Amino acid sequence: GNSVTQMEGPVTLSEEAFLTINCTYTATGYPSLFWYVQYPGEGLQLLLKATKADDKGSNKGFEATYRKETTSFHLEKGSVQVSDSAVYFCALSHGSGNTGKLIFGQGTTLQVKP
Amino acid sequence: NAGVTQTPKFQVLKTGQSMTLQCAQDMNHEYMSWYRQDPGMGLRLIHYSVGAGITDQGEVPNGYNVSRSTTEDFPLRLLSAAPSQTSVYFCASTTISGAHNEQFFGPGTRLTVL
Repeated sequence: GNSVTQMEGPVTLSEEAFLTINCTYTATGYPSLFWYVQYPGEGLQLLLKATKADDKGSNKGFEATYRKETTSFHLEKGSVQVSDSAVYFCALSHGSGNTGKLIFGQGTTLQVKP
Repeated sequence: NAGVTQTPKFQVLKTGQSMTLQCAQDMNHEYMSWYRQDPGMGLRLIHYSVGAGITDQGEVPNGYNVSRSTTEDFPLRLLSAAPSQTSVYFCASTTISGAHNEQFFGPGTRLTVL
C-alpha cells in the first residue's frame, strides 16, 4: 500500500544552519506530495506542495523537489530561524477516487536554538 | 472566514463514556475528514465525507461514528470511549477536486480517556 517515511527526529539546529528533512514515499501511479507544518498548540497548515515529477514546491524559504526516480520529497531550507521550530509532516495524496485522503509520515520535530 | 473550527479544545473522559467532537467549516468545502494524531505515527484518517449525506471509513474507523447532515458540519462520535482513543483529533476540509489542493485543518481536540 501507499506509505510515507520521514527521517527520525527531533532535529536540533542553531539559527542560520542549513536544514534537510528527508522524506521518501511508496505509491502506485503519480501521487501529489505535500509538506505540512504544525506550530506548537496549532493545527496543521500547508507549507508547500508538488503535483508531478520534477516539480519544485517552495514557500517561506523552504523548498522540496518531487523526485520520482528516488521516490523522495526532501524538505530543505538554507538558513533556519527560531520561528521555524515546529513539527513537519510529509504527506501524499492520490488522484481520482481518493480526493482529499492524505497519508502522512510520522512527523519530524525541528528545534532551532538562537 | 473562521475556517475550520473544532470544539472542545480539551476533554477528559472515563472509559465507557460517550461524547461528540464538533467540527464546522465556513468555506463551502464538500470534502471533510477526521484524523487522529499519535506520537510517532503521524496523522491517520478515521472517517471522511465527500458531501452531505455521504460518509466512508478511513484507515482507523473502529470505535468512531460520523454523520454529515449539512455541508458545514461533520461531528465525530465516540460511543464508548476507551483508553486507546486518547489522542489529538483534527478535522480537515477541502474542495471535492482536492487531490492536489490544500487541506485546511482545525486547531484540534486533545482527548484523554482514563
